[in-house]
Amino acid sequence: AQSVAQPEDQVNVAEGNPLTVKCTYSVSGNPYLFWYVQYPNRGLQFLLKYITGDNLVKGSYGFEAEFNKSQTSFHLKKPSALVSDSALYFCAVRDPNTGNQFYFGTGTSLTVIP
Amino acid sequence: KAGVTQTPRYLIKTRGQQVTLSCSPISGHRSVSWYQQTPGQGLQFLFEYFSETQRNKGNFPGRFSGRQFSNSRSEMNVSTLELGDSALYLCASSQLAISSYNEQFFGPGTRLTVL
Repeated sequence: AQSVAQPEDQVNVAEGNPLTVKCTYSVSGNPYLFWYVQYPNRGLQFLLKYITGDNLVKGSYGFEAEFNKSQTSFHLKKPSALVSDSALYFCAVRDPNTGNQFYFGTGTSLTVIP
Repeated sequence: KAGVTQTPRYLIKTRGQQVTLSCSPISGHRSVSWYQQTPGQGLQFLFEYFSETQRNKGNFPGRFSGRQFSNSRSEMNVSTLELGDSALYLCASSQLAISSYNEQFFGPGTRLTVL
């Protein structure tokens, strides 16, 4: 069973508009959740993580994510998109039930239109 | 602090050959993980090493193997290459010890092309 899902392969948003990249997980217990960004021909860069505490997590480059336990979601958000935010975004979960192995979503390609 | 480095960055091999990829983690990081990234499958976990011991292994055939040295550097080997092994291979390191909430830091990857 897939541990993390990103339902949208592609998200387009106009520059200056708010953006949301969706992620849901299916790990029992208290998983640790992460967002990474990948620019072309580069490795993944860490954006933010949720471990415990406040459901709204703030990360790098103005991104934030909201943990929702009842909906098992961890959507990535930014109030005002920049063209430079265009990249591939990956949601990941660290599953304590499988030796803390990382599971990544299939990625969402974000395009910010000038 | 230097980031995760991977060598070589690009590699072209033919079917049946074997290949060894290298990864040097961030200084002080003891955990190294390997991933295969392809357009259709996304990131697939290969294995994770911590203190020279394999901690976790993904669902890959035995042709894929790895090891970690005492200085935390890691190598990944693929024997009898197949066309489907063409991918970007990513290495990631973390400070993981007992704690499980550390994020991973990724290298730029090795682009392997099998002809």
